[in-house]
Amino acid sequence: DADVTQTPRNRITKTGKRIMLECSQTKGHDRMYWYRQDPGLGLRLIYYSFDVKDINKGEISDGYSVSRQAQAKFSLSLESAIPNQTALYFCATSRGFNNEQFFGPGTRLTVL
Amino acid sequence: DAKTTQPTSMDCAEGRAANLPCNHSTISGNEYVYWYRQIHSQGPQYIIHGLKNNETNEMASLIITEDRKSSTLILPHATLRDTAVYYCIVSHLPYGQNFVFGPGTRLSVLP
Repeated sequence: DADVTQTPRNRITKTGKRIMLECSQTKGHDRMYWYRQDPGLGLRLIYYSFDVKDINKGEISDGYSVSRQAQAKFSLSLESAIPNQTALYFCATSRGFNNEQFFGPGTRLTVL
Repeated sequence: DAKTTQPTSMDCAEGRAANLPCNHSTISGNEYVYWYRQIHSQGPQYIIHGLKNNETNEMASLIITEDRKSSTLILPHATLRDTAVYYCIVSHLPYGQNFVFGPGTRLSVLP
């Protein structure tokens, strides 16, 4: 089984809808991250969490929110989806003072 | 964190060494150099990191210049499966919030 899983893997939604992307990990890592990737570009950090209930904004947090209710789970919400949020979303984990991040397989989100 | 500059793309013949350069001229003394790669649209994969000494693991070698202003990732015997986008990242430990994945270098390993 994969160490970092993301659900759903693909999602098509409409403008204005609320959508949640889920990330789960079995690595026992304390730190979790959400990134987005637009075509032909690198990854940009949306939010990160160093522990349960700890939430920190990344480079592009506007229009997104997150929840970390358990160490193994980190969810990303789009409160009111808009077309320019169409992207590939990745969750990642790391342990303590270590930037070796382990990435999930990604969620391809399309907002029509 | 320091900004990095990488070539947009490179080709390498299968079986030969692939040498991927990265410039990070504004790197500060406590910043590490990380390398990740992304195969197609999969999640990025950690390769190696270092501070000032050269590092080697089962995947690659990392050569950091003495002034630390540039580095080279070496894949000693590139295979077709090494075709990917390679990202060079400079970051403090443990501040992952400043982990910036730029556009990277697209390496094509040719048969």
